[in-house]
Amino acid sequence: QKEVEQNSGPLSVPEGAIASLNCTYSDRVSQSFFWYRQYSGKSPELIMSIYSNGDKEDGRFTAQLNKASQYVSLLIRDSQPSDSATYLCAVNINGNTGFQKLVFGTGTRLLVSP
Amino acid sequence: DAGVIQSPRHEVTEMGQEVTLRCKPISGHDYLFWYRQTMMRGLELLIYFNNNVPIDDSGMPEDRFSAKMPNASFSTLKIQPSEPRDSAVYFCASSFLGSKYFGAGTRLSVL
Repeated sequence: QKEVEQNSGPLSVPEGAIASLNCTYSDRVSQSFFWYRQYSGKSPELIMSIYSNGDKEDGRFTAQLNKASQYVSLLIRDSQPSDSATYLCAVNINGNTGFQKLVFGTGTRLLVSP
Repeated sequence: DAGVIQSPRHEVTEMGQEVTLRCKPISGHDYLFWYRQTMMRGLELLIYFNNNVPIDDSGMPEDRFSAKMPNASFSTLKIQPSEPRDSAVYFCASSFLGSKYFGAGTRLSVL
């Protein structure tokens, strides 16, 4: 089982709709979760972080975390064509040395059509 | 701050040659990471440093890869000798209190 799993997509939604991106992880002791957006040919850009169960809202973005189910999601309300990108889920995994390291999923490609 | 700075942005080399990628982290960040991204494998962590000390290099694919961080403002990733399968985008990232920020990446092509 991969440490962080995402559906590769593409996920296609019309402009103005809600886009729902999902991620599951394998390490039960993970404490920190991140969503990155990556435009084609560009570097990943941090858009959300979440550490506690429940919802965290930032503008049009809402991150949802359920540690019991080992599940984290990202909702994008009022999707815009400019939101079209690959969204990477990242989870801090405790390394063997005791320090944490960030493991990324392979990403979900989102396409928002006008 | 200018963000994480990587150089070169693009590198084309021939198999067997030595390649050195460079990174300047954001000032004040205490962690530095080297990642490799390919279509097939996604974003893979190669190695990371804390306060200039290598902490975990378990992601380094083989002995041909080495990384150094001689001071808080500079790190290198070296591949010697390079092979075509090393072709990828290499990202450097730095972090403080958990949030990572990536450089623009170096696109490496080994012919």
